[in-house]
Amino acid sequence: AQSVTQPDIHITVSEGASLELRCNYSYGATPYLFWYVQSPGQGLQLLLKYFSGDTLVQGIKGFEAEFKRSQSSFNLRKPSVHWSDAAEYFCAALANNNDMRFGAGTRLTVKP
Amino acid sequence: GAVVSQHPSRVICKSGTSVKIECRSLDFQATTMFWYRQFPKQSLMLMATSNEGSKATYEQGVEKDKFLINHASLTLSTLTVTSAHPEDSSFYICSARSPVSPNTEAFFGQGTRLTVV
Repeated sequence: AQSVTQPDIHITVSEGASLELRCNYSYGATPYLFWYVQSPGQGLQLLLKYFSGDTLVQGIKGFEAEFKRSQSSFNLRKPSVHWSDAAEYFCAALANNNDMRFGAGTRLTVKP
Repeated sequence: GAVVSQHPSRVICKSGTSVKIECRSLDFQATTMFWYRQFPKQSLMLMATSNEGSKATYEQGVEKDKFLINHASLTLSTLTVTSAHPEDSSFYICSARSPVSPNTEAFFGQGTRLTVV
């Protein structure tokens, strides 16, 4: 079955430290991949997406993600986290059936 | 990016009443819209896919008679929670994709916090 897995439910990092949020997908063919961020009580904002081409994708707010086909992964990274980055992060995948599936989400806490 | 507007952002209703949530694509025509439900501290679960001019396609386990979806125009889809119960309290989010580039990211509404008392 098609699925998106985010192994880490909650991550805490210190402000200024680097960040990596993990995402793995299980699809027959490589889907389109996305990272969204959600602040409490809000909708989702797209951080970045991967369709094809360069496997290192740059997004907004200083985020980037790397697609690794061999690992079926699309991990999100940021070299230096800011307190305003505290939020819930969702990895999502879109396959040919036009149906976007989400991972369980990773809640990011930023320590001062 | 494209804008999807969802209304209301918050609603409180009494058990047994019905609530309608609207989802509008403001600057593009969306032939397909999606409705998600999100429980606290959980991910988004797809409830149904709403197709303009035809019946919605519901995910397994979602009661179509309870969650009525109407997609009467290319810019508006509505979700009506009928005979609401406290267990229907949740965060409901809609999304839409432009038919010009269907295989692109979905644009999300701001979400609706439904509380049934």
